[in-house]
Amino acid sequence: GAVVSQHPSWVICKSGTSVKIECRSLDFQATTMFWYRQFPKQSLMLMATSNEGSKATYEQGVEKDKFLINHASLTLSTLTVTSAHPEDSSFYICSASQNTDTQYFGPGTRLTVL
Amino acid sequence: DAKTTQPPSMDCAEGRAANLPCNHSTISGNEYVYWYRQIHSQGPQYIIHGLKNNETNEMASLIITEDRKSSTLILPHATLRDTAVYYCIVSSPFGGGSEKLVFGKGTKLTVNP
Repeated sequence: GAVVSQHPSWVICKSGTSVKIECRSLDFQATTMFWYRQFPKQSLMLMATSNEGSKATYEQGVEKDKFLINHASLTLSTLTVTSAHPEDSSFYICSASQNTDTQYFGPGTRLTVL
Repeated sequence: DAKTTQPPSMDCAEGRAANLPCNHSTISGNEYVYWYRQIHSQGPQYIIHGLKNNETNEMASLIITEDRKSSTLILPHATLRDTAVYYCIVSSPFGGGSEKLVFGKGTKLTVNP
């Protein structure tokens, strides 16, 4: 149980384009989902927290107009990187929680912006 | 900032127990101790968590000191597949969801044949 998937697992895009990453909880309903970013040889950094049906709460320094988060259902959250640039290249990881004290993480999405 | 301190790296022989320490001297009464691990280029994997009692599951054991200022994660019989970065995190659950997790640099555990 407690399986979280992400799609795609990796994506390469041109600078200026937008990229959408999906995060799904496969066997439970996720009331809260989190989006993290991890640069090479660094630890995970929380970008935003989203509750189903509500606007996401962004961490300080994360541009909400650039990283659009939608948590439209209890099993799906999406992160859209708008007008991506090379500095947005990173490993994006989501996690999900079901009214419990434990977060379960997805496998991550590797984004490369050329 | 992370509220925990862990050694940057450790080595362990395959088949032996791996004991990973973590200091969390500023932990508050309602905060749990969580352990996750991250194998290269994958998302973190939940291992175990506890409040004040020792905990054990199929993956590991968690020993929390009586004053709760430190803890040890024990992998009883380490295998090569246990090579990963192990994160010790303190966090308080709230409101039916989960408090955010603040990841430090973790401990890079290398299990040697």
